[in-house]
Amino acid sequence: AQSVTQLGSHVSVSEGALVLLRCNYSSSVPPYLFWYVQYPNQGLQLLLKYTTGATLVKGINGFEAEFKKSETSFHLTKPSAHMSDAAEYFCAVSVPTGANSKLTFGKGITLSVRP
Amino acid sequence: DSGVTQTPKHLITATGQRVTLRCSPRSGDLSVYWYQQSLDQGLQFLIQYYNGEERAKGNILERFSAQQFPDLHSELNLSSLELGDSALYFCASSPTTASYEQYFGPGTRLTVT
Repeated sequence: AQSVTQLGSHVSVSEGALVLLRCNYSSSVPPYLFWYVQYPNQGLQLLLKYTTGATLVKGINGFEAEFKKSETSFHLTKPSAHMSDAAEYFCAVSVPTGANSKLTFGKGITLSVRP
Repeated sequence: DSGVTQTPKHLITATGQRVTLRCSPRSGDLSVYWYQQSLDQGLQFLIQYYNGEERAKGNILERFSAQQFPDLHSELNLSSLELGDSALYFCASSPTTASYEQYFGPGTRLTVT
C-alpha cells in the first residue's frame, strides 16, 4: 500500500520568502504524485502533478515540485511567497494500476504568510 | 470552480439519523470518488464508482453506502450516525478510472449532534 508523509503541520514564512513544503512517499511501484491546495471553506484544487517524464513539474500560482525517486520525495516550492498563498497544502499519491486511481493523502501542512 | 457540485453545503443532524449527500460530476466525467476529511483521520478515500459500477473501496464503514445513477450523479448515504461521523465529505470526479487528475467539489460539512 502507498503512503505519504508530510513533516510538520504548520509552516510560517514572510511575504517574499521561499516556500518549501516537504513530502515523502512510500510506494511499491512508481507512483503518480500530486499537490493540492485547500483554501478556507473550499474544496481541493490541484496545484501540480507528476506522472511520467520530466521530474521537475510546474504548476499554478508559481509553484513547482521535483520528483526525486532516490529520496522518495516530492517537495513543493515557490520562490517568493504571497499573502494569497496562505492555505492548507496536501501531498497525495496514486498508484497507476489502471483499475482505480484513488488518492492517498498526507495529513496536510498549513502555510501562513507573514506581512 | 471545478465543475463538480455537491449538495447540501451544510448538514446538521442528530445521532442515529440517516442522511444523503449528493454529488454531480463534471460534464463528461464517468468516475466519481468520495472522500472524508476529519481532524482525526485527515483526508481518507471512501469509495469510487465508474459509470454506475463500484470500482474501489477504501475505509468506508458498513453504515455508509453509495451509488452512482445512470445520469452519473452519485449519492453517499450515511446511516446510524455517530458523533465521530462529523466531517467534511468531498466528492471528486475524473473522466475515466485511469484519469489520475481528480476534480474536487466544495464539500458537504456534516455535523452530528
